[in-house]
Amino acid sequence: SQELEQSPQSLIVQEGKNLTINCTSSKTLYGLYWYKQKYGEGLIFLMMLQKGGEEKSHEKITAKLDEKKQQSSLHITASQPSHAGIYLCGAPSTSSNTGKLIFGQGTTLQVKP
Amino acid sequence: GAGVSQTPSNKVTEKGKYVELRCDPISGHTALYWYRQSLGQGPEFLIYFQGTGAADDSGLPNDRFFAVRPEGSVSTLKIQRTERGDSAVYLCASSPSGLAGGNEQFFGPGTRLTVL
Repeated sequence: SQELEQSPQSLIVQEGKNLTINCTSSKTLYGLYWYKQKYGEGLIFLMMLQKGGEEKSHEKITAKLDEKKQQSSLHITASQPSHAGIYLCGAPSTSSNTGKLIFGQGTTLQVKP
Repeated sequence: GAGVSQTPSNKVTEKGKYVELRCDPISGHTALYWYRQSLGQGPEFLIYFQGTGAADDSGLPNDRFFAVRPEGSVSTLKIQRTERGDSAVYLCASSPSGLAGGNEQFFGPGTRLTVL
């Protein structure tokens, strides 16, 4: 079965610093979603990547998809306390075409003011 | 409201009891998903509805779990004879069509289930 591995599992950075979170799949990626979750809340959609080499940005967050490496990265520039939370990558399951997502275990980000 | 809503937000029950969790998807979304998230883990797929029918229930852990979506809108996840291991956050998501690789899934805030 397909698995997504995120690294690091947790991260503490000083406000203003840059950071990168990686998501590696055990199987070919046919798209990759990034979500953010605050404790006790649902998932907030950040970005969807569909093609190898695709890169998308929203405000200070940039995500890239490397199909050959079966990997995606999420980069935050000049981090702020509002960026704190759990970041989850999700990919459409390769075993079905229903759109169900397989998720990584999440990366917990703390930003120190 | 325009988003996915779930009720109750919290549910505490005793081992062996029956519980129902409700999901109101975004109006017009034909695809509805249920996921379960344990502490420190990512969400795990439970069941997928396309319209009224359960198109994929391969994620349901056992026959104590059942879900319905009788009119193709609101869905109810039902858990019989709850066990302590069922404690988790149950997330519902909806999508315009459910096609793989194309549609964002919009998530609700979840229901936190605690089985004592």
